[in-house]
Amino acid sequence: DAKTTQPTSMDCAEGRAANLPCNHSTISGNEYVYWYRQIHSQGPQYIIHGLKNNETNEMASLIITEDRKSSTLILPHATLRDTAVYYCIVSRGQTGANNLFFGTGTRLTVIP
Amino acid sequence: EADIYQTPRYLVIGTGKKITLECSQTMGHDKMYWYQQDPGMELHLIHYSYGVNSTEKGDLSSESTVSRIRTEHFPLTLESARPSHTSQYLCASRRDGRGYTFGSGTRLTVV
Repeated sequence: DAKTTQPTSMDCAEGRAANLPCNHSTISGNEYVYWYRQIHSQGPQYIIHGLKNNETNEMASLIITEDRKSSTLILPHATLRDTAVYYCIVSRGQTGANNLFFGTGTRLTVIP
Repeated sequence: EADIYQTPRYLVIGTGKKITLECSQTMGHDKMYWYQQDPGMELHLIHYSYGVNSTEKGDLSSESTVSRIRTEHFPLTLESARPSHTSQYLCASRRDGRGYTFGSGTRLTVV
């Protein structure tokens, strides 16, 4: 599975949109982009995933560039509870996607 | 409400003891995984399974074993615990094309 690169940390004011970038320049055609977050001492929580098209759900939006080499996770109105480490990973979504590389993620701090 | 359960939540055990970390999921997922994570560090794959009677080793598998006798149950066993095993252990499951669902983890301390 392709590796990803994310900034180590970011700050965001409460109520503003948080935009978390991720580079995955070696992504292959059958690999999906997944986003998770992990709040201290808990297991990672699935947020959203996509292949080519932009995606939106109740938690966030995912914008994937046309060449698929990078993506951005958008939390439209960040709250203090969104403070967490956010992981961007790429993986084959079907059978065989097993050895995930979570990396060190982006530590997002939402500031009151 | 959690759909994947790990027990115990915390465990302190002496060196040389055999321990089993439990993981069960109620979603009928075929694929299950064990990860090890030190505080603030990335997740490392220990073992995974594609279904009943199917188990594979990840990067950190050499000192542990798993079994998958039932779809919903994927226990991890350390035959002889060592202080280097002190870490958080995360169990996860997934369905094809979907994201992982993680348990709350077991925080293991070996003294």
